[in-house]
This record gives sequence, C-alpha cells and structure tokens, in this order.
Amino acid sequence: AQKVTQAQTEISVVEKEDVTLDCVYETRDTTYYLFWYKQPPSGELVFLIRRNSFDEQNEISGRYSWNFQKSTSSFNFTITASQVVDSAVYFCALSETNFGNEKLTFGTGTRLTIIP
Amino acid sequence: DAGVTQSPTHLIKTRGQQVTLRCSPKSGHDTVSWYQQALGQGPQFIFQYYEEEERQRGNFPDRFSGHQFPNYSSELNVNALLLGDSALYLCASVTSGGYQFFGPGTRLTVL
Repeated sequence: AQKVTQAQTEISVVEKEDVTLDCVYETRDTTYYLFWYKQPPSGELVFLIRRNSFDEQNEISGRYSWNFQKSTSSFNFTITASQVVDSAVYFCALSETNFGNEKLTFGTGTRLTIIP
Repeated sequence: DAGVTQSPTHLIKTRGQQVTLRCSPKSGHDTVSWYQQALGQGPQFIFQYYEEEERQRGNFPDRFSGHQFPNYSSELNVNALLLGDSALYLCASVTSGGYQFFGPGTRLTVL
C-alpha cells in the first residue's frame, strides 16, 4: 500500500532563513507521481509541483527547489530566503498511476511558520 | 479561465441529516476527485468521477455517494450525517495528463 510520511509536524524559522520540508514515501509501483501542495489559512490547496518516478532531476522555481531521490524514497522541498507569505501547511502526496491522474495519498502535512 | 469552484462555502447540519456539496472543474477538465480533510490531517480520498461514472473509490462508507453531470460538474452526497463527518471537503479538477487542481473547499460542521 502506498504511504507518505512527513515527520516534521511544525517548523518555525526566522524570515530570510532557508528551510527544508521532508517527505518520505512508500510504494511498490515503479511508475508513480509525487506532488507538493501549499495550504494557506484560507484552506485551498495550491499546486506547487508534480514529478514522475522516472525524472530524478532536481527542480528549481524561484525560491523553491525540490530534491527527488529514489534511493531513499524521498522528495524534499526547500524554500530559500523564506518570507512571511510562505507561512502555510505544506503537503506531500503520491499517486500510483501511469499518469498521476488518480487517487492522491497525502502525508499529514508540515505547518511552516515564518517569523518576521 | 475560471478555476475550480465549490459551493457552498460553509454548511452547518445536524446529525442524521443529509447534505449535498457541489463542484465545477476547470474548463476542459473531465475528471473530478473528492477528498475529506479533518482538522489537522491530510486530505483523504473519497472517490473520483470520470465520464459520469465512479472510477475509483477510497475507504469511505456507502453513506458517501456522488454524481457527475454531462458538463463534468459533480456532487458529493452524504447521508445520515455523523459528528465525525465534520471536515473540509475538497474537490480536485484533474487533467488527463495527471495534474490535479483543488477548489477552495466546503467546510461542513455537523452538530
């Protein structure tokens, strides 16, 4: 069965510090997709990234970067030079399909607080 | 291009009642998934609709049912409400390429 573990329940950092959110997954499939979502206090899940199991290249988007390592079943998310607007709950999710278009299994989330 | 919309925003019901939540996916998206998110937890998959049929279902009782209309909008129905059904209900609009975009959710409170 698929499983996603986000061991960090809550993280607080001072503004402008870098912070890494950890995500470890379990799956028996060789083809799967990994996602990160941001959930601000309003409640809506905001899509950040989708990565398939065959693409281990790290990705950078502005202050955000993702490190995917199949050897350790991890898909970690780093925010560089954090800002107060980054405060939110962040979820990692896994989809065991050929296209990532079916059920998402979410972790329990990491609540990130950026202190001004 | 409108995003994913859900209605109502908030809802208060009493135990034993029935509720219907609605979702309109993004234009061109033909697949809708529903999730339940209890306070402090990650979203849990309820079911997914594609071409007006339930394609996949999570571990939820039959009290949870759904429907998809020809215009791809969807409804989630919950019968015989329990206190434990209080949660944020999220709808995801899914592309064939596997991108899943969520709506703002409906917060259901069962008293």
